[in-house]
Amino acid sequence: DTEVTQTPKHLVMGMTNKKSLKCEQHMGHRAMYWYKQKAKKPPELMFVYSYEKLSINESVPSRFSPECPNSSLLNLHLHALQPEDSALYLCASSRPKPGQVVSGANVLTFGAGSRLTVL
Amino acid sequence: GENVEQHPSTLSVQEGDSAVIKCTYSDSASNYFPWYKQELGKRPQLIIDIRSNVGEKKDQRIAVTLNKTAKHFSLHITETQPEDSAVYFCAALRDTGTASKLTFGTGTRLQVTL
Repeated sequence: DTEVTQTPKHLVMGMTNKKSLKCEQHMGHRAMYWYKQKAKKPPELMFVYSYEKLSINESVPSRFSPECPNSSLLNLHLHALQPEDSALYLCASSRPKPGQVVSGANVLTFGAGSRLTVL
Repeated sequence: GENVEQHPSTLSVQEGDSAVIKCTYSDSASNYFPWYKQELGKRPQLIIDIRSNVGEKKDQRIAVTLNKTAKHFSLHITETQPEDSAVYFCAALRDTGTASKLTFGTGTRLQVTL
């Protein structure tokens, strides 16, 4: 399995809703990432988890709450979002297990994204 | 932190012509430079990459060059085809030891016309 799977593909929520985005990979990668991409803009890093611990938080508002239950799963919990939070949310993973060959395809693998609309 | 600049923001070429996209980066610790192609509504797809110990890499119609001293790297697409039309992002990666921090350029919208 060489894929990063994200669910749901599309999500529409109100500003008072609580929802979650999910990401799963079975490539043995030990770092997982959340990126946010607005229309016509590059992906912007939000969070990095390494070995299931939060490694980088790029000053993301607390209405976004990441969670890494295990090395294969990454969640992004959403609460009290604003319309300007509407975007494509991309999950990615990287870094193989020790001993695996590092190649371009292993460096960062993106999921297909979850398109979020906040009304 | 790392800052990646990318030019041009839009590029229109005729089918069969070449296209060149240029990027500069600021963090000398960055050691890996991938290029992504993103079609409308889809995820970024890695098309070619280069490591800091290599000056040039080619894969069929696509080539990337890196000038580590000047902190410049470029994407060259030859014999362009309509299916090359997309947004292209350069990126620079710095390995923090426990994870990889990838910073993207601002993107180039490439339009290949018939």
